[in-house]
Amino acid sequence: DIVLTQSPGTLSLSPGERATLSCRASQSLRTNFLAWYQQKSGQAPRLLIYGTSTRATGIPDRFSGSGSGTDFTLTISRLDPEDYAVYFCQQYGNTPFTFGPGTKVDSK
Amino acid sequence: EVQLVESGGGLVQPGGSLRLSCAASGFSFTTYAMSWVRQIPGKGLEWVSSIDGSGDRRYHADSVKGRFTISRDNSKNMVLLQMNSLRDEDTALYYCAKAKGLDTYGDFEYWGQGTLVTVSA
Repeated sequence: DIVLTQSPGTLSLSPGERATLSCRASQSLRTNFLAWYQQKSGQAPRLLIYGTSTRATGIPDRFSGSGSGTDFTLTISRLDPEDYAVYFCQQYGNTPFTFGPGTKVDSK
Repeated sequence: EVQLVESGGGLVQPGGSLRLSCAASGFSFTTYAMSWVRQIPGKGLEWVSSIDGSGDRRYHADSVKGRFTISRDNSKNMVLLQMNSLRDEDTALYYCAKAKGLDTYGDFEYWGQGTLVTVSA
């Protein structure tokens, strides 16, 4: 199974700041089938990024994804108050599809 | 508008069974793979099962293999999860999810609101 590790566990930032979230895979994702989801309390996850770097429908361009192989990054260029949430990375190139443990972005 | 509505959750004793349903609307149902993903409230996400658009290919996590079975009724736009031999560790919120790609399974573009399964004596 591909294990995903996310860092940091918690990121405390102010609105307008840049957020950089890391996701590392235990083995190379040859297909770059890496997704990022945002989850707010009491809500289902929302797809932000798929295929490592493609924004899902309706996702603002302040969200961007990058990376290859085993190292991937989600960047929020200028944090908006509505962006405070938990972010999960996920690989979907091989079953079992696996998720990282999440990074919580909260207010400094 | 895409809608996924789960039902069938509840309280069940260890060793018991439940069948979860997901009613889908707003898209060409047979075109897309569908999946179940679970989450212990406040914890992480775990993929459970996926099925292709035709229902011919099914995949299950090792943790549920032999106990859970995913299926779909394309005449009713429904996805089902039959859960047998339930264990305490199956307690979670179960989400139904739709794949984004035409030939992918695990890029979960749309999610339902979930149905809660509690396994307890």
